[in-house]
Amino acid sequence: KAGVTQTPRYLIKTRGQQVTLSCSPISGHRSVSWYQQTPGQGLQFLFEYFSETQRNKGNFPGRFSGRQFSNSRSEMNVSTLELGDSALYLCASSLQGALDEQYFGPGTRLTVT
Amino acid sequence: GENVEQHPSTLSVQEGDSAVIKCTYSDSASNYFPWYKQELGKGPQLIIDIRSNVGEKKDQRIAVTLNKTAKHFSLHITETQPEDSAVYFCAARLYLYGGSQGNLIFGKGTKLSVKP
Repeated sequence: KAGVTQTPRYLIKTRGQQVTLSCSPISGHRSVSWYQQTPGQGLQFLFEYFSETQRNKGNFPGRFSGRQFSNSRSEMNVSTLELGDSALYLCASSLQGALDEQYFGPGTRLTVT
Repeated sequence: GENVEQHPSTLSVQEGDSAVIKCTYSDSASNYFPWYKQELGKGPQLIIDIRSNVGEKKDQRIAVTLNKTAKHFSLHITETQPEDSAVYFCAARLYLYGGSQGNLIFGKGTKLSVKP
């Protein structure tokens, strides 16, 4: 069974631009969560989607948004990029949530210049 | 909210020795505690997990223990090998009513180096 895939793997953007990252969960998994990883703050939760609905949200500004499609694939968008948004963005999928294990993808490395 | 503390931040051991990483959590409602291994350039890999109704779980050279009273849990790696070198993260998750998966709260990580 294929794991969680994320595209693109690397991205360089300029301040003020916007970016869209994509995540394909493990086949059969319906819950997708997004995390931001930085050396200073570690791994921080952004949001979780289940059945095309945002079910849980972390403490990030409204510039960070996401969505999930009917095939469970998910995208996250960051608008008006800031230098501090440079990070590894990780997607994790699980069967339904609640008591299920989460499996992470390889991440998208975003650099904002 | 939940807070997870992880110690030590770095750990260096000789090949064949044991390694222990400890985490404490703050919210007694947390009920799921996974451990992840992250190698350079890769996403975190789930290596073992434990739920609040279990005190200990083993998988070959890896074991996790949970003390709910003290609100701490530990990862034990025996007979360490150079390929065990990586950053290890502990996490805790609250169960939210209604089926929603509470998000994982991660510790800051432990960089484990196994010297041959």
